[in-house]
Amino acid sequence: SQQGEEDPQALSIQEGENATMNCSYKTSINNLQWYRQNSGRGLVHLILIRSNEREKHSGRLRVTLDTSKKSSSLLITASRAADTASYFCATVTYTGNQFYFGTGTSLTVIP
Amino acid sequence: GAVVSQHPSWVICKSGTSVKIECRSLDFQATTMFWYRQFPKQSLMLMATSNEGSKATYEQGVEKDKFLINHASLTLSTLTVTSAHPEDSSFYICSARVQRGGPFQETQYFGPGTRLLVL
Repeated sequence: SQQGEEDPQALSIQEGENATMNCSYKTSINNLQWYRQNSGRGLVHLILIRSNEREKHSGRLRVTLDTSKKSSSLLITASRAADTASYFCATVTYTGNQFYFGTGTSLTVIP
Repeated sequence: GAVVSQHPSWVICKSGTSVKIECRSLDFQATTMFWYRQFPKQSLMLMATSNEGSKATYEQGVEKDKFLINHASLTLSTLTVTSAHPEDSSFYICSARVQRGGPFQETQYFGPGTRLLVL
């Protein structure tokens, strides 16, 4: 399976705290993307980081990528209750044909 | 932005029946669409890659005779779950890749998903 793994599987924090999720993958990638999914709903694209990039920011999101360790992290700063959702990383290979999703992290932000 | 729709959003059927799910790209042409399945509290698992005008490519472990995929046009792909059983109950999500130049399409556009419940 080319599916990546994420940890933690579940994370519960207080509003205002930072949340960090990690993603590890197995193959060489062209880019890695993070998605958010509210319960029973579709996916929302958050951010993309290319294999030649090490860090990227978008609003309260910060993503890092370490291709030598085949890992990425997503940091959500100053979390809000509305950030409660599942977060998935997805890797895109050099063929660009397919996405492989990580196992996901379920984030709960307590008001 | 690019929009992908799925129909139906919810379907409940009896065991043994077949269910067709449609995936449409509403404002762009998609030469390639992807079908995923997601069980409760689990990640999305790629089932197959659907190419317009050709046979779908299935991931290992996915039965092509059970999950029939047709990509007859640049804006429509269908997934038919044949002889559905309760274990096929899942959330099915499609995505579409925009037809653009260059070897990579970095971002796919996802449909809202179809929830299938087989009784």
